[in-house]
Amino acid sequence: GAVVSQHPSRVICKSGTSVKIECRSLDFQATTMFWYRQFPKQSLMLMATSNEGSKATYEQGVEKDKFLINHASLTLSTLTVTSAHPEDSSFYICSAALAGTDTQYFGPGTRLTVL
Amino acid sequence: AQSVSQHNHHVILSEAASLELGCNYSYGGTVNLFWYVQYPGQHLQLLLKYFSGDPLVKGIKGFEAEFIKSKFSFNLRKPSVQWSDTAEYFCAVRNAGNMLTFGGGTRLMVKP
Repeated sequence: GAVVSQHPSRVICKSGTSVKIECRSLDFQATTMFWYRQFPKQSLMLMATSNEGSKATYEQGVEKDKFLINHASLTLSTLTVTSAHPEDSSFYICSAALAGTDTQYFGPGTRLTVL
Repeated sequence: AQSVSQHNHHVILSEAASLELGCNYSYGGTVNLFWYVQYPGQHLQLLLKYFSGDPLVKGIKGFEAEFIKSKFSFNLRKPSVQWSDTAEYFCAVRNAGNMLTFGGGTRLMVKP
C-alpha cells in the first residue's frame, strides 16, 4: 500500500515552454501533497505544500507564479513549471501524506531537462 | 529555521561490518524524525520513524535508530550490513508546522 506515482518520469523541453508533472496517490487518499526539488548530489529541498482544495503554501525563495501547483482531488496534485529555463532543470519529487497520518510516501521523481 | 546535518557524505564498508550514520538537527520544539533510503534507481522509501515513546526505534531490514534528545541526534545503525544495503540514506525532521527538512544524505557502498 501507500504507492505514489509521478508522470512523466523524464521530460525534455525547450526553453520558454511549460511542463506539467503529475503526482498521484494510487491506493490512498492524500489530503496533503508535497513537492521537492533535488539538485545533483544534494538533498531534497521542499518547494511547496499543497492541501486538497486550497492554495499551495510555497517555501521562501520559490516563485509561486513559476511553479504552479494544483491539488484538485485527494489523489492528484500537479506541478506546472511555466516558461521553463535551463536553470529549472532538476529532479522533481512529490510525496503524499496519508489522511490523518504524518508519514510521507514519495513518488519516483521526474527528471526535467530544459534545453 | 530548522536544519538537519548528516556527518558522513560517503561511507564504504565491507559486508558484515557494523554501520552507524550520524544525524543531528537543530530545532528546539517537538519533532518527528525519519530515516529514508533510496536504492539505486529507485525512489525514496521510509526506513523508520520516531514520533514518541521508546527512543530506540526499529525499522525494516534490521535497521534501528536512537533518538537522543539532549544531543539532538537520531543516528541510524545496523549491526551487520549486506551488499544490498548499498543506497543513499536521508535523515529528515518534521516540525510542528509539518515541514519536513532533509539532511544532505549519506551514500553507503557495501563491498561484497
